[in-house]
Amino acid sequence: GDSVTQMEGPVTLSEEAFLTINCTYTATGYPSLFWYVQYPGEGLQLLLKATKADDKGSNKGFEATYRKETTSFHLEKGSVQVSDSAVYFCALSDGNAGKSTFGDGTTLTVKP
Amino acid sequence: NAGVTQTPKFQVLKTGQSMTLQCAQDMNHEYMSWYRQDPGMGLRLIHYSVGAGITDQGEVPNGYNVSRSTTEDFPLRLLSAAPSQTSVYFCASRDRGRRSNYGYTFGSGTRLTVV
Repeated sequence: GDSVTQMEGPVTLSEEAFLTINCTYTATGYPSLFWYVQYPGEGLQLLLKATKADDKGSNKGFEATYRKETTSFHLEKGSVQVSDSAVYFCALSDGNAGKSTFGDGTTLTVKP
Repeated sequence: NAGVTQTPKFQVLKTGQSMTLQCAQDMNHEYMSWYRQDPGMGLRLIHYSVGAGITDQGEVPNGYNVSRSTTEDFPLRLLSAAPSQTSVYFCASRDRGRRSNYGYTFGSGTRLTVV
């Protein structure tokens, strides 16, 4: 079945540092890929998405590129802020199956 | 405000009690899902639905029932609560078609403690 493997956390960075959170996936079809963010005490929010190979999703300074050849969708940001501290989830969705598969989440803490 | 509404936000149950977690969405989404979130285990799919009258089991369905009588509502029933069901429960919905590119909208969660 489908699966998503995320870089284990927690990740602690200083403000303005470069962020990479690795995500690889296994899927039988041609899934859409997502990153979600969860702030403390809240539900998940869609951060960015990519629906086909070589697509780049971007939002709020975060980027991720759909790499079919390496089955990866790594999340990057050039300069993190304290307000980016949250849990980040990589996910895939097979549109025909009606469900999504999530990674275990990576906790990011950004220190001033 | 449009979105996914979950009630209650917090609940404490005694072992053996039953209850229903409510989930409603006003976006006319066909797909709805229930997940539980436990520390270090990410999100695990309990049950999901691809439309009114259609439900299916996810990864961890035991001890839970669902029904989907309308497009808007997707309640989750705990039949006989156990301490292992202590968790945070999230309901999510998404559009079926390619217009939304399959991204989910999540509710704010229900924090359940079973003692």
